[in-house]
Amino acid sequence: QITLKESGPMLVKSTQTLTLTCTFSGFSFDTSGVAVGWIRQPPGKALEWLALIYWDDDKRYSPSLKTRLSITKDTSKNQVVLDMTNMDPADTGTYYCAYIGAVRHWFDPWGQGTLVTVSS
Amino acid sequence: DIVVTQSPDSLAVSLGETATINCKSSQSVLYSSNNKNYLAWYQQMPGQPPKLLIYWASTRESGVPDRFSGSGSGTDFTLTITGLQAEDVAVYYCQHYFGTPYSFGQGTKLEIK
Repeated sequence: QITLKESGPMLVKSTQTLTLTCTFSGFSFDTSGVAVGWIRQPPGKALEWLALIYWDDDKRYSPSLKTRLSITKDTSKNQVVLDMTNMDPADTGTYYCAYIGAVRHWFDPWGQGTLVTVSS
Repeated sequence: DIVVTQSPDSLAVSLGETATINCKSSQSVLYSSNNKNYLAWYQQMPGQPPKLLIYWASTRESGVPDRFSGSGSGTDFTLTITGLQAEDVAVYYCQHYFGTPYSFGQGTKLEIK
């Protein structure tokens, strides 16, 4: 059974850097084709894909946020870390991490999400 | 980049009736080499993460009731819920996975009339 859980600060200030950690179990980055992605959702709004990291360390980013994002993995800890710089109140929302399988190219399952509020 | 647009933004349907949600991509998500449409549908209940319903545009995920069905190909897709039940009240999203950047539709809020 694959599970993912997000962790990080609930509150950050404008201009600060947000660091979120996704801790997972039930799979390994040793498996060719797997990936972990980050998706966010402002309160009452739609889902927005942010970033993706593959088993081979290939990294992909949302074009609109590329300059502010960095995604890394720590295979020894079964973790994926997302850094987002220069936070703004518009970045307030729930941040999810989710799994992409080797042959299942969609997001499933998802973590429960973590709500991040950015104060001005 | 592929943009995914859903319609309508909200929908009210009577219990037992059929709900239809549309999703249109700005370019085809049909991969010719395997004849598969790289599109998924998710259901999101309040306060919960999205739950996968449909992948490859029309394949129902294990455990998903058969009243949920997906159809379409290329750029136009539909999620149909037949025999609407009270527990189907949620926001529904489509998402393309035809290469990055991935994108989601803006969501369709389904309510009971």
